[in-house]
Amino acid sequence: KNQVEQSPQSLIILEGKNCTLQCNYTVSPFSNLRWYKQDTGRGPVSLTIMTFSENTKSNGRYTATLDADTKQSSLHITASQLSDSASYICVVREFGNEKLTFGTGTRLTIIP
Amino acid sequence: DTEVTQTPKHLVMGMTNKKSLKCEQHMGHRAMYWYKQKAKKPPELMFVYSYEKLSINESVPSRFSPECPNSSLLNLHLHALQPEDSALYLCASSPLGTGVQETQYFGPGTRLLVL
Repeated sequence: KNQVEQSPQSLIILEGKNCTLQCNYTVSPFSNLRWYKQDTGRGPVSLTIMTFSENTKSNGRYTATLDADTKQSSLHITASQLSDSASYICVVREFGNEKLTFGTGTRLTIIP
Repeated sequence: DTEVTQTPKHLVMGMTNKKSLKCEQHMGHRAMYWYKQKAKKPPELMFVYSYEKLSINESVPSRFSPECPNSSLLNLHLHALQPEDSALYLCASSPLGTGVQETQYFGPGTRLLVL
């Protein structure tokens, strides 16, 4: 069964600090992996999408990495801001399939 | 226009009511999705429409009835819901195909409360 596991479940950091969120998956065959940011009560917003051949991709203060061999991804947030407080969801797509496998998310809280 | 819109934003309904959720996109996407999300849980897929035809139904109870009138619109008709159906209902769309860069774009969701 395809699974996506994220850690930590929740994280609290001071404004201005960096943090890294982890995602491990078992989805196979692999198509792509996306990181979404979801504010409470709102729809998920895509931050990055990574394919098999990509190791690193940045979007502003967000940098995602992918190791397709170990089936691991990370999302690094630099110089955190209060607006970064949200749930971050790792989502993996199986090749040739419309369905996505969602991780349970990491709840990030930035405190001033 | 890279936006998926959903109406209403909030909905409160009784167990005997009939209501509909609406979703619209104008990105030319040919796949549209309904998800249900409970608090602190990831979204759960309910239905997928491909080229306006229902391609996936994740064993959703018949009190939820999807409809895709055209390639830009997706409805979810609700009837005789239960309190446990209270959740955030998300609509998403994506270009259809096996492109590895394909992304699902999510709407803001409808917060549903069943009394």
